[in-house]
Parts: sequence; C-alpha cells; structure tokens
Amino acid sequence: RKEVEQDPGPFNVPEGATVAFNCTYSNSASQSFFWYRQDCRKEPKLLMSVYSSGNEDGRFTAQLNRASQYISLLIRDSKLSDSATYLCVVTDNAGKSTFGDGTTLTVKP
Amino acid sequence: DAGITQSPRHKVTETGTPVTLRCHQTENHRYMYWYRQDPGHGLRLIHYSYGVKDTDKGEVSDGYSVSRSKTEDFLLTLESATSSQTSVYFCAISQDPSLNTEAFFGQGTRLTVV
Repeated sequence: RKEVEQDPGPFNVPEGATVAFNCTYSNSASQSFFWYRQDCRKEPKLLMSVYSSGNEDGRFTAQLNRASQYISLLIRDSKLSDSATYLCVVTDNAGKSTFGDGTTLTVKP
Repeated sequence: DAGITQSPRHKVTETGTPVTLRCHQTENHRYMYWYRQDPGHGLRLIHYSYGVKDTDKGEVSDGYSVSRSKTEDFLLTLESATSSQTSVYFCAISQDPSLNTEAFFGQGTRLTVV
C-alpha cells in the first residue's frame, strides 16, 4: 500500500462546477499536510497548506481528518485556469515529504 | 521565485556511465530533496537531506547516492546509469516542513539514458 493515496481521476468538469479531491495517508506520525498544483511539464507549486481546523483560500477549501488520516480539497466555481494536476503531500516528523500520484483536473468551457 | 536552480536542465547519457545532477539554493533552507517523476506516478522521493552531511533515503533510493557538503548544494549521483533511470528529476528545498513551511521546487532536469 502506498503511503499517500489519491483519487486516480482524471476529473473532467464544466466551468462553474464544484469538484472535490480526496487523499489518504498511512503514517500516523505525519505532521504537515499540503496540496500542490502542477501544470504540464512544470515544477509543482504550493496551492495551500492543510490545517486541522480546515482552511479556505478563496474558492479553495482544504480539510484534514487526523483520526481517519484523510485530506480533502474542494474547488468551487471551477475556472479554465484550474486545469492542472493536484498533488497531496504529507510530511512526517523527520521532515520526509511524500507525494501522492496526483489527480488531474480538466475544466471545460 | 525562490532561489533554487538545477543543472543541467537536460541530459542524454549512455547506459553504464556515471551522472551527477546538481541542485543549488540561495535561500539557506535546511532541508533539500531529490525526487523523480515518471508518467503514471507522482513525485517519488529518492533521497533527502536535513543538514550538511545529513542525508537519508527515500522510497526509490537504489542506484542513487547523494552528497551535501555545503548548505547550498545537494548533489544526486547515478553511479552507473540505467534506462530505468530515464526520468524528470526535481530538487526541492524547505526551511522546516514539519512546521507547514512551503517546499520550493527547481524547474527539473530531464535525463535520458540510452
């Protein structure tokens, strides 16, 4: 079993749709959690950190459930520019960061 | 943009030759990472470093070694390149990932082993 598992996707949605991505992790010692975005053939860039209380940044909402070892990302009112691969990242207490395989989102007009 | 550069950006090498990829940072971040990314896979951790001369293995470390003699440089060496090591390699830096600090990535090195 992989340490970090994500919905395989791909997700194809119309503009304006709401889409949710899920991620589970196996290491209960995990301390920090992130969502990164990666555009085709580019380096990943931080979308948002994920906090235990949940956090929101504009149209993006991230949730963390430590008991279930589950992370989610919700995108509301999808834009064409949201098309990308979304990567779930989990870091343990030694600083080792593990990525999920990513979920590809395509937003269509 | 964070000061992180990878070199070379592209390389073609022959099977059995040694290859060294360099990651250089100007941010004085403590942690540095090497990942590889292949189609159908996310980024897989090869090795990482949590300080000068302090390194540890990731999930796909076989066939790779690393060195960090200075804070700013993290070298990844393929001792004897194989075709299975054809991939895109990303370096990343982070101040303290356990405190939710962001990791910054280099632009990647596309390595082809023929």
